[in-house]
Amino acid sequence: DAGVTQSPTHLIKTRGQQVTLRCSPKSGHDTVSWYQQALGQGPQFIFQYYEEEERQRGNFPDRFSGHQFPNYSSELNVNALLLGDSALYLCASSLRGGNQPQHFGDGTRLSIL
Amino acid sequence: AQSVTQPDIHITVSEGASLELRCNYSYGATPYLFWYVQSPGQGLQLLLKYFSGDTLVQGIKGFEAEFKRSQSSFNLRKPSVHWSDAAEYFCAVGARKAAGNKLTFGGGTRVLVKP
Repeated sequence: DAGVTQSPTHLIKTRGQQVTLRCSPKSGHDTVSWYQQALGQGPQFIFQYYEEEERQRGNFPDRFSGHQFPNYSSELNVNALLLGDSALYLCASSLRGGNQPQHFGDGTRLSIL
Repeated sequence: AQSVTQPDIHITVSEGASLELRCNYSYGATPYLFWYVQSPGQGLQLLLKYFSGDTLVQGIKGFEAEFKRSQSSFNLRKPSVHWSDAAEYFCAVGARKAAGNKLTFGGGTRVLVKP
Protein backbone atom coordinates (compact mmCIF):
# COMPACT_ATOMS: atom_id res chain seq x y z
CA ASP A 1 0.00 0.00 0.00
CA ALA A 2 1.79 3.10 -1.26
CA GLY A 3 1.84 6.09 1.00
CA VAL A 4 1.86 9.71 -0.09
CA THR A 5 4.22 10.27 -3.01
CA GLN A 6 5.58 13.61 -4.13
CA SER A 7 7.55 14.67 -7.18
CA PRO A 8 10.10 15.88 -7.84
CA THR A 9 12.21 15.37 -4.71
CA HIS A 10 14.44 18.35 -5.43
CA LEU A 11 14.07 21.38 -7.65
CA ILE A 12 16.17 24.44 -8.35
CA LYS A 13 14.61 27.55 -9.84
CA THR A 14 15.52 31.20 -10.24
CA ARG A 15 13.63 34.25 -9.07
CA GLY A 16 10.58 35.10 -11.16
CA GLN A 17 10.10 31.60 -12.51
CA GLN A 18 7.09 29.40 -11.96
CA VAL A 19 7.04 25.90 -10.47
CA THR A 20 4.61 22.98 -10.24
CA LEU A 21 4.86 20.33 -7.54
CA ARG A 22 2.89 17.09 -7.62
CA CYS A 23 1.34 14.82 -5.02
CA SER A 24 -0.39 11.46 -5.09
CA PRO A 25 -2.36 10.71 -1.93
CA LYS A 26 -2.32 7.52 0.07
CA SER A 27 -4.71 4.93 -1.33
CA GLY A 28 -8.26 5.56 -0.10
CA HIS A 29 -7.69 9.18 0.88
CA ASP A 30 -9.72 11.95 -0.74
CA THR A 31 -8.30 15.08 0.91
CA VAL A 32 -4.95 16.69 0.14
CA SER A 33 -3.23 19.45 2.08
CA TRP A 34 -0.06 21.36 1.28
CA TYR A 35 2.41 22.77 3.78
CA GLN A 36 5.54 24.89 3.47
CA GLN A 37 8.40 24.13 5.85
CA ALA A 38 11.19 26.71 5.90
CA LEU A 39 14.55 25.62 7.27
CA GLY A 40 14.47 25.23 11.03
CA GLN A 41 10.74 25.88 11.32
CA GLY A 42 7.53 23.92 11.64
CA PRO A 43 5.30 23.34 8.62
CA GLN A 44 2.91 26.16 7.67
CA PHE A 45 -0.48 25.31 6.16
CA ILE A 46 -0.92 26.57 2.58
CA PHE A 47 -4.28 25.11 1.53
CA GLN A 48 -6.45 22.01 1.45
CA TYR A 49 -8.39 20.39 -1.38
CA TYR A 50 -11.21 17.92 -1.49
CA GLU A 51 -13.87 17.28 -4.12
CA GLU A 52 -11.54 19.16 -6.50
CA GLU A 53 -12.03 22.47 -4.72
CA GLU A 54 -9.92 24.56 -2.36
CA ARG A 55 -11.65 24.30 1.02
CA GLN A 56 -9.28 25.97 3.46
CA ARG A 57 -6.43 28.38 2.90
CA GLY A 58 -3.63 29.60 5.09
CA ASN A 59 -1.94 32.98 5.03
CA PHE A 60 -0.23 32.67 1.66
CA PRO A 61 -0.44 35.07 -1.30
CA ASP A 62 -2.30 34.36 -4.51
CA ARG A 63 0.99 33.39 -6.13
CA PHE A 64 0.34 30.02 -4.49
CA SER A 65 -2.40 28.09 -6.22
CA GLY A 66 -3.41 24.48 -6.50
CA HIS A 67 -5.51 21.92 -8.17
CA GLN A 68 -7.01 18.56 -7.34
CA PHE A 69 -7.79 16.01 -10.02
CA PRO A 70 -10.63 13.46 -10.13
CA ASN A 71 -8.21 10.73 -8.98
CA TYR A 72 -7.53 12.89 -5.86
CA SER A 73 -3.95 13.72 -6.85
CA SER A 74 -2.96 17.34 -6.52
CA GLU A 75 -0.61 20.02 -7.79
CA LEU A 76 0.83 23.05 -6.08
CA ASN A 77 1.78 25.95 -8.35
CA VAL A 78 3.87 28.90 -7.32
CA ASN A 79 4.29 31.88 -9.65
CA ALA A 80 6.84 34.70 -9.62
CA LEU A 81 9.18 32.82 -7.30
CA LEU A 82 10.95 34.76 -4.56
CA LEU A 83 14.07 33.81 -2.64
CA GLY A 84 11.84 33.39 0.41
CA ASP A 85 9.94 30.60 -1.30
CA SER A 86 12.91 28.29 -0.76
CA ALA A 87 11.59 25.55 1.52
CA LEU A 88 10.49 21.96 1.84
CA TYR A 89 6.98 21.59 0.46
CA LEU A 90 5.03 18.82 2.11
CA CYS A 91 1.89 17.17 0.86
CA ALA A 92 -0.42 15.39 3.28
CA SER A 93 -3.44 13.25 2.57
CA SER A 94 -6.32 12.08 4.72
CA LEU A 95 -9.95 11.20 4.72
CA ARG A 96 -12.27 14.17 4.93
CA GLY A 97 -13.09 15.37 8.43
CA GLY A 98 -11.59 17.20 11.36
CA ASN A 99 -10.64 14.07 13.27
CA GLN A 100 -8.80 12.41 10.41
CA PRO A 101 -5.02 12.26 10.87
CA GLN A 102 -2.90 13.43 7.98
CA HIS A 103 -0.23 11.28 6.38
CA PHE A 104 2.74 13.13 4.93
CA GLY A 105 4.96 12.54 1.94
CA ASP A 106 8.71 13.10 2.03
CA GLY A 107 8.37 16.51 0.42
CA THR A 108 9.88 18.47 -2.43
CA ARG A 109 12.93 20.56 -1.61
CA LEU A 110 12.66 23.80 -3.61
CA SER A 111 15.69 26.05 -3.86
CA ILE A 112 15.45 29.50 -5.40
CA LEU A 113 18.64 31.10 -6.75
CA ALA B 1 -6.87 31.53 16.10
CA GLN B 2 -5.09 28.37 17.14
CA SER B 3 -1.38 28.28 17.96
CA VAL B 4 1.21 25.87 19.32
CA THR B 5 4.33 26.58 21.33
CA GLN B 6 7.19 24.17 21.83
CA PRO B 7 9.42 25.93 24.37
CA ASP B 8 12.51 23.75 23.86
CA ILE B 9 14.32 24.17 20.55
CA HIS B 10 16.97 21.55 21.33
CA ILE B 11 17.13 18.74 23.88
CA THR B 12 20.09 16.43 24.42
CA VAL B 13 19.48 13.18 26.22
CA SER B 14 21.62 10.13 26.95
CA GLU B 15 20.65 6.81 25.42
CA GLY B 16 18.50 4.91 27.89
CA ALA B 17 17.38 8.03 29.75
CA SER B 18 13.83 9.31 29.78
CA LEU B 19 12.61 12.05 27.47
CA GLU B 20 9.87 14.64 27.82
CA LEU B 21 9.02 17.20 25.16
CA ARG B 22 6.76 20.10 26.03
CA CYS B 23 3.86 21.41 23.98
CA ASN B 24 1.42 24.18 24.84
CA TYR B 25 -1.49 25.10 22.64
CA SER B 26 -3.98 27.92 22.31
CA TYR B 27 -7.47 27.09 21.13
CA GLY B 28 -10.98 28.11 22.11
CA ALA B 29 -12.14 24.61 22.93
CA THR B 30 -10.62 21.16 23.21
CA PRO B 31 -8.70 20.65 20.01
CA TYR B 32 -7.44 17.61 18.22
CA LEU B 33 -3.78 17.15 19.18
CA PHE B 34 -0.98 15.36 17.39
CA TRP B 35 2.70 14.60 17.70
CA TYR B 36 4.75 14.00 14.57
CA VAL B 37 8.42 13.03 14.14
CA GLN B 38 10.64 14.07 11.24
CA SER B 39 13.97 12.46 10.43
CA PRO B 40 16.46 14.43 8.30
CA GLY B 41 15.38 14.75 4.68
CA GLN B 42 12.08 13.04 5.29
CA GLY B 43 8.43 13.86 5.79
CA LEU B 44 6.49 13.72 9.02
CA GLN B 45 5.42 10.48 10.67
CA LEU B 46 2.46 10.44 13.05
CA LEU B 47 3.45 9.27 16.53
CA LEU B 48 0.11 9.64 18.30
CA LYS B 49 -3.10 11.63 18.44
CA TYR B 50 -5.64 12.78 21.00
CA PHE B 51 -9.27 13.31 20.11
CA SER B 52 -11.22 12.64 23.29
CA GLY B 53 -11.51 10.25 26.22
CA ASP B 54 -8.50 8.99 28.16
CA THR B 55 -6.07 11.85 28.52
CA LEU B 56 -3.03 9.55 28.39
CA VAL B 57 -2.53 8.29 24.85
CA GLN B 58 -0.13 5.66 23.63
CA GLY B 59 1.63 5.91 20.31
CA ILE B 60 4.15 4.12 18.19
CA LYS B 61 7.81 3.55 19.04
CA GLY B 62 7.08 3.51 22.79
CA PHE B 63 5.93 7.13 23.00
CA GLU B 64 3.03 8.42 25.06
CA ALA B 65 1.49 11.85 25.60
CA GLU B 66 -0.75 13.35 28.25
CA PHE B 67 -3.41 15.95 27.58
CA LYS B 68 -3.88 18.42 30.42
CA ARG B 69 -6.77 20.77 29.77
CA SER B 70 -6.03 23.01 32.76
CA GLN B 71 -2.50 23.65 31.50
CA SER B 72 -3.33 23.65 27.76
CA SER B 73 -0.52 21.15 27.36
CA PHE B 74 0.12 17.94 25.48
CA ASN B 75 3.59 16.76 26.51
CA LEU B 76 5.29 13.82 24.83
CA ARG B 77 7.24 11.26 26.85
CA LYS B 78 9.36 8.16 26.38
CA PRO B 79 10.73 6.17 29.32
CA SER B 80 13.96 5.04 27.66
CA VAL B 81 15.42 6.72 24.59
CA HIS B 82 17.15 4.83 21.78
CA TRP B 83 19.74 6.31 19.45
CA SER B 84 17.20 6.01 16.61
CA ASP B 85 14.94 8.52 18.40
CA ALA B 86 17.25 11.36 17.36
CA ALA B 87 15.01 13.50 15.14
CA GLU B 88 12.84 16.59 15.17
CA TYR B 89 9.49 16.41 16.91
CA PHE B 90 6.48 18.55 16.12
CA CYS B 91 3.34 19.10 18.11
CA ALA B 92 0.25 20.10 16.12
CA VAL B 93 -3.30 21.18 16.80
CA GLY B 94 -6.32 20.63 14.57
CA ALA B 95 -9.65 22.41 14.78
CA ARG B 96 -12.83 20.53 15.67
CA LYS B 97 -14.71 21.19 12.47
CA ALA B 98 -17.02 18.94 10.58
CA ALA B 99 -14.95 19.34 7.48
CA GLY B 100 -11.39 20.35 6.95
CA ASN B 101 -8.51 19.26 9.14
CA LYS B 102 -5.90 21.98 8.77
CA LEU B 103 -3.02 21.52 11.19
CA THR B 104 -1.15 24.25 13.03
CA PHE B 105 2.35 23.17 14.03
CA GLY B 106 4.76 24.30 16.69
CA GLY B 107 8.31 25.24 15.81
CA GLY B 108 9.64 21.81 16.68
CA THR B 109 12.11 20.35 19.18
CA ARG B 110 15.30 18.75 17.91
CA VAL B 111 16.36 15.76 19.99
CA LEU B 112 19.98 14.68 20.11
CA VAL B 113 20.85 11.33 21.69
CA LYS B 114 24.24 10.86 23.34
CA PRO B 115 25.72 7.34 23.43
